[in-house]
Amino acid sequence: GAGVSQSPRYKVAKRGQDVALRCDPISGHVSLFWYQQALGQGPEFLTYFQNEAQLDKSGLPSDRFFAERPEGSVSTLKIQRTQQEDSAVYLCASSFDPNPTDTQYFGPGTRLTVL
Amino acid sequence: GQNIDQPTEMTATEGAIVQINCTYQTSGFNGLFWYQQHAGEAPTFLSYNVLDGLEEKGRFSSFLSRSKGYSYLLLKELQMKDSASYLCAGPNQAGTALIFGKGTTLSVSS
Repeated sequence: GAGVSQSPRYKVAKRGQDVALRCDPISGHVSLFWYQQALGQGPEFLTYFQNEAQLDKSGLPSDRFFAERPEGSVSTLKIQRTQQEDSAVYLCASSFDPNPTDTQYFGPGTRLTVL
Repeated sequence: GQNIDQPTEMTATEGAIVQINCTYQTSGFNGLFWYQQHAGEAPTFLSYNVLDGLEEKGRFSSFLSRSKGYSYLLLKELQMKDSASYLCAGPNQAGTALIFGKGTTLSVSS
């Protein structure tokens, strides 16, 4: 079946612009995660959804970052007034159930470059 | 807090065996994951250890010692396509996400 998909794959923004990154998880997966991955680093947790509920947003670096999953499926990560330090790959992952040890399946990521 | 440490880079030749180590703080982690990530691609699941000991899966094996806060990934009969970053990760205390190490970049040469 289809895996996790993300769009766009690449996004170039001018500093100060708003961007919206989309994630389509695997159908039926309850849990959805957003991670930020800087070059040469491991993914860092941003936020977690269980169905439509955002249960953990402790990793969001500032109030410029906002995520939603209104119908418990597709999720959008929005970054307002982008800064150069926001340049990174944003990875989305989903897992079948809420158990934290359930395997997470990752999308290909969106590479954001802020000029 | 919870920290994961792994070597930054490793090199090996085709056909060889390589062991990638990972150490972590013992409090809070309930099992350990290994993911493989090729450049520009998504991380893909390799293994998950919740009990102590070695688990073998084809050319890849993973070991866990919970008391020592130590894990390793063993890759046998290396192939060029095994050149990638290998990420060690464990669930955070809240159970809401994975905490990843910085990854070990493995370069396999002929």
